[in-house]
Amino acid sequence: QSALTQPASVSGSPGRSITISCTGTSSDVGGYNYVSWYQQHPGKAPKLIIYDVTNRPSGVSNRFSGSKSGNTASLTISGLQAEDEGDYYCSSYASSTTLVVFGGGTKLTVL
Amino acid sequence: QAHLVESGGGVVQPGRSLRLSCAASGFTFRNHGMQWVRQAPGKGLEWVAVIYYDGSQQYYADSVKGRFTISRDNSKNTLYLQMSGLRAEDSAVYFCARDQGHYHHNGMDVWGQGATVTVSS
Repeated sequence: QSALTQPASVSGSPGRSITISCTGTSSDVGGYNYVSWYQQHPGKAPKLIIYDVTNRPSGVSNRFSGSKSGNTASLTISGLQAEDEGDYYCSSYASSTTLVVFGGGTKLTVL
Repeated sequence: QAHLVESGGGVVQPGRSLRLSCAASGFTFRNHGMQWVRQAPGKGLEWVAVIYYDGSQQYYADSVKGRFTISRDNSKNTLYLQMSGLRAEDSAVYFCARDQGHYHHNGMDVWGQGATVTVSS
């Protein structure tokens, strides 16, 4: 069982928006602004798309945005494109013996 | 262009040891925290270990603590993961990844292609 809880799957039509949630506790997501999001395509390494809750690395589309409320972080993808299909993982710093925790991942399907 | 290349994966019997290496290029290796993340077949990402930019601190997932050791040689731009007492549940693709900062919480922005470890008799 993953430390952070994500929905197993989400779907949306091209051009629409979707939001993926990532729920933790006050010892991880809720306690620190150190949430990251990763996109992974089959057979590939993950790619960082959001860090420190809301920041996008250089080169990442502004269609990707992050936010946080309490113990839940969210990733929103607007203007869905076919290339957005893949798996998305959240991650957070955790003040426990496990310093970094991941969510179980969410499979995004673009209909 | 920052680049990470893992090596050392393979098939190993339960209880045996294996060492993974991760060669870095295209950036100042000694300025960044480095991490190992693994992914079992068909499963999600699991954080394994982190080492600070200067090697002063290391932290491990509970599932590998006492069996795995992360280290780095900043003179060789290389990260290592020494794995001992391997179990079937350690079978996974192991990714090395660069943290954007000195430590472990600024997001992993550069990833290797992964090294496959299979633990089987």
